[in-house]
Amino acid sequence: DTEVTQTPKHLVMGMTNKKSLKCEQHMGHRAMYWYKQKAKKPPELMFVYSYEKLSINESVPSRFSPECPNSSLLNLHLHALQPEDSALYLCASSQDSGGYQPQHFGDGTRLSIL
Amino acid sequence: AQRVTQPEKLLSVFKGAPVELKCNYSYSGSPELFWYVQYSRQRLQLLLRHISRESIKGFTADLNKGETSFHLKKPFAQEEDSAMYYCALRGPGNQFYFGTGTSLTVIP
Repeated sequence: DTEVTQTPKHLVMGMTNKKSLKCEQHMGHRAMYWYKQKAKKPPELMFVYSYEKLSINESVPSRFSPECPNSSLLNLHLHALQPEDSALYLCASSQDSGGYQPQHFGDGTRLSIL
Repeated sequence: AQRVTQPEKLLSVFKGAPVELKCNYSYSGSPELFWYVQYSRQRLQLLLRHISRESIKGFTADLNKGETSFHLKKPFAQEEDSAMYYCALRGPGNQFYFGTGTSLTVIP
């Protein structure tokens, strides 16, 4: 299995809702990532997990809460989002060690905030 | 500070013409560089990494440390090459820095 799987593919939520995005990989990768991507823009890094521990938080608002329950799963919990949070949310994974290992990306969850 | 620069936001070439997408980087250590491609409505996927020195879909990229560049080249562009291309640098702590991307259009 060489894929990163994200669910759901689309999500529409109100500003007061609570929802979660899910990401799964079975490649044995120990680094997992959340990115936000707006149309025609590069991915913006949000969080990095290494060996299930949060290693990088790029000053993301607390209405986004990541969780890494085990080495294969990564969640992003959403609460009280704003309309400007509407975007494509990408999950990626990579080998933690060096050796020029690239990231593998999922298809993303397209999030719309009403 | 680590940085990746792609100076061309949009690039159009005719089918069969050579194409070069520019990427410059700044990094204090030994860089790990990648090219990713995003076709319309598809996931971001790895195209090339500099260490492998391979040709994928006819594309090649050479790391030039003197010019701090990692330009992507193809001698004869095809219509199916139309996509968004991102140059990326892997920094410490598993951080990947993406350039702003170049949207390539190959005109039939």
